[in-house]
Amino acid sequence: GENVEQHPSTLSVQEGDSAVIKCTYSDSASNYFPWYKQELGKRPQLIIDIRSNVGEKKDQRIAVTLNKTAKHFSLHITETQPEDSAVYFCAASRGGGGNKLTFGTGTQLKVEL
Amino acid sequence: EAGVAQSPRYKIIEKRQSVAFWCNPISGHATLYWYQQILGQGPKLLIQFQNNGVVDDSQLPKDRFSAERLKGVDSTLKIQPAKLEDSAVYLCASSLKRRNYNEQFFGPGTRLTVL
Repeated sequence: GENVEQHPSTLSVQEGDSAVIKCTYSDSASNYFPWYKQELGKRPQLIIDIRSNVGEKKDQRIAVTLNKTAKHFSLHITETQPEDSAVYFCAASRGGGGNKLTFGTGTQLKVEL
Repeated sequence: EAGVAQSPRYKIIEKRQSVAFWCNPISGHATLYWYQQILGQGPKLLIQFQNNGVVDDSQLPKDRFSAERLKGVDSTLKIQPAKLEDSAVYLCASSLKRRNYNEQFFGPGTRLTVL
């Protein structure tokens, strides 16, 4: 089955700096890669996703890149703000987002003032 | 639109007891998922329903866990008997369809503590 590894497990940045979280996946048939943000005690919420036919996608301060050959994808957050502090999970699935998601182990991002 | 609803939000039981969780997905969402999230880890899929049929239950510990979605809407997840290692947050999610890159929307979860 699919295996998703995520690094780093914790990340501390100064407000205004950029943050990068990286994931690798094992199943070459995976074609959908969402990123979820989970604040303490709250539900995971989708912040951005990318399909395998696209190499990069941006939405304001966040962007995701995908390297299918290397089976890597990354989340980039620019101009970080305190409200970006949360746990971020990457995930992978076959057949689109309606199929089983395999999640990474999460990255605790802390944005310091 | 209303989100995914779950109850109870918290449950504390002793090992070997039984427990049940309830989920009401977003109206019109055909696909429903139950995930287990152990502290410090990412969610792990336990079971996926398409309407009232099971699509994937390969990671469901069937000797103690069961789930049903009889009318293709609400779902219940049961654990009997519970073990200490079942302590986790149980998340329910739903999506419009099984394919076509539909976002999975998560409920608030039920935090289970097994003593």
